[in-house]
Amino acid sequence: LAKTTQPISMDSYEGQEVNITCSHNNIATNDYITWYQQFPSQGPRFIIQGYKTKVTNEVASLFIPADRKSSTLSLPRVSLSDTAVYYCLVGKDRGSTLGRLYFGRGTQLTVWP
Amino acid sequence: GAVVSQHPSRVICKSGTSVKIECRSLDFQATTMFWYRQFPKQSLMLMATSNEGSKATYEQGVEKDKFLINHASLTLSTLTVTSAHPEDSSFYICSARPGTSGVPTGNEQFFGPGTRLTVL
Repeated sequence: LAKTTQPISMDSYEGQEVNITCSHNNIATNDYITWYQQFPSQGPRFIIQGYKTKVTNEVASLFIPADRKSSTLSLPRVSLSDTAVYYCLVGKDRGSTLGRLYFGRGTQLTVWP
Repeated sequence: GAVVSQHPSRVICKSGTSVKIECRSLDFQATTMFWYRQFPKQSLMLMATSNEGSKATYEQGVEKDKFLINHASLTLSTLTVTSAHPEDSSFYICSARPGTSGVPTGNEQFFGPGTRLTVL
């Protein structure tokens, strides 16, 4: 499984755009990149998933360069409620064998007023 | 859609007792469910993979006799912490992965809200 490296913490102010970068140098050809968000005492929540280039949904954008050795989660105009831990995971898609997820340390994002 | 529930949300028990935690996928069928444990200020640690109708697969270092997992139906998996001790106190989270015939689609897993276990 590809190991991921993220900053331990980030701070931002309301209304700013936040970019969280994840390194995954050993990503395999058929690995996907998935980001989850977790609030205290809650289960993680799926944010976005991508394989290459750019993916955008109503919550965030995910930028993946051509070499796929890193990815950047972009949160537009964050609010106080975006304060959470964000996890970057790399793994095979649902078509393969087990779908296990191994969480790294994640990035604690704190949004200030 | 894609809701996973856990029951109870919080449990306090005495040392030596057993505690059962339920994980249900409410609006989809989950052929595979996963159990995680999370200590304060730490990340989620995968404990085991639970497949409907078969024995669970435990991660290295997780005692299968301590953490009994049953996945009797496509919507229910249970985790029983047997002879619980204070060091078992943790936040237990399950997740469910849709089967090939169900919705929603995609690679994501859907997580339950977690169960806070405190062993006195």
